[in-house]
Amino acid sequence: GAGVSQSPSNKVTEKGKDVELRCDPISGHTALYWYRQSLGQGLEFLIYFQGNSAPDKSGLPSDRFSAERTGGSVSTLTIQRTQQEDSAVYLCASSLGQARAFFGQGTRLTVV
Amino acid sequence: GQQVMQIPQYQHVQEGEDFTTYCNSSTTLSNIQWYKQRPGGHPVFLIQLVKSGEVKKQKRLTFQFGEAKKNSSLHITATQTTDVGTYFCAGPIIQGAQKLVFGQGTRLTINP
Repeated sequence: GAGVSQSPSNKVTEKGKDVELRCDPISGHTALYWYRQSLGQGLEFLIYFQGNSAPDKSGLPSDRFSAERTGGSVSTLTIQRTQQEDSAVYLCASSLGQARAFFGQGTRLTVV
Repeated sequence: GQQVMQIPQYQHVQEGEDFTTYCNSSTTLSNIQWYKQRPGGHPVFLIQLVKSGEVKKQKRLTFQFGEAKKNSSLHITATQTTDVGTYFCAGPIIQGAQKLVFGQGTRLTINP
């Protein structure tokens, strides 16, 4: 596609529910990143994919968080049993190797 | 571990004043990238520096890459309200796998 696409753009969920966030990277981009950003804060690294494998999952905050990438393309970030502290903007970025990263518009998650 | 550190975290200036943000890595970088995130937006690529001692300019923005390729700076001359946002540096670093690592960003606010 023309850019990195994330869906949904906004998600409101009840505490304890599971949510799935989707990222559709730029076609051909081998690297895919997930970040979390709370209001006014920096980028909190969550996970990095190279192709379909995730050589770095060190940023996932707990075992409630998981992510997968299929076909070297679309990635899904799943948060189980959501908590209020999970509320944030979740950003996805893709790049070709270590070249410039392109970010999606983000998914704003609100847990009520 | 290997990190990309950015200072200051916040900077507030009067319109027309200059602004500088600094980025430091514990290891030599093959390149350094700079991004800007406007309030409510997502990070957008500004520039990439590759050579030791490289200096690049974009209108009122001057980007420098240190001789040792471990540090970089972004200087804005005569800030304007359109410069408001968070500026991030990023470099490819080996943390488990080689990936693009972002600094925590410098949030610039401007008093008109």
